[in-house]
Amino acid sequence: NAGVTQTPKFQVLKTGQSMTLQCAQDMNHEYMSWYRQDPGMGLRLIHYSVGAGITDQGEVPNGYNVSRSTTEDFPLRLLSAAPSQTSVYFCASSYWVTGRNSPLHFGNGTRLTVT
Amino acid sequence: AQKVTQAQTEISVVEKEDVTLDCVYETRDTTYYLFWYKQPPSGELVFLIRRNSFDEQNEISGRYSWNFQKSTSSFNFTITASQVVDSAVYFCALRGGPGTASKLTFGTGTRLQVTL
Repeated sequence: NAGVTQTPKFQVLKTGQSMTLQCAQDMNHEYMSWYRQDPGMGLRLIHYSVGAGITDQGEVPNGYNVSRSTTEDFPLRLLSAAPSQTSVYFCASSYWVTGRNSPLHFGNGTRLTVT
Repeated sequence: AQKVTQAQTEISVVEKEDVTLDCVYETRDTTYYLFWYKQPPSGELVFLIRRNSFDEQNEISGRYSWNFQKSTSSFNFTITASQVVDSAVYFCALRGGPGTASKLTFGTGTRLQVTL
């Protein structure tokens, strides 16, 4: 049971480049989300999804796109990277239909640097 | 809107001291869920505990205990006889109840440093 798998672990981009952060979970969780973690800011929600075909914006969605074509995968796309997107990104998932008290299971994070 | 406040940015204690991490929350929901997560220096986020708003019982798990008080909108976390391995950033988080957006809102975290 792999849990939540994020790839890559590290990435360096130049300003203007695009890339996709991958996230996959094998726990049949309906809910998946992306957070970014910046010093002194805690974790801020970028986008989330409560099921295949359903996505919604979080607190800081600008510059990011998501899609949810399957229950297992929830990729995060950076359309045109900017230095302000330098951060650590976490993907997380949980059960949703069975109750909102389900804890989030986090991936190990992707450290992204935009130069 | 939901909000979680962890006013203590950083706490330093000597091993074996007790330490309490504060968490104050704001929500208009009558049903909500509170969580604590630990982020050790290795960077992963580890779930510690959850509490439903309708369950005000305090909880103890080994050296860890949690004090949930709806009257003061607080969900504080105490580590008894702290150890160096407790050094980490601790996050408190809040999730709304049915009918609300499914966002989990985090506080900004408290960095705990335990030294010998």
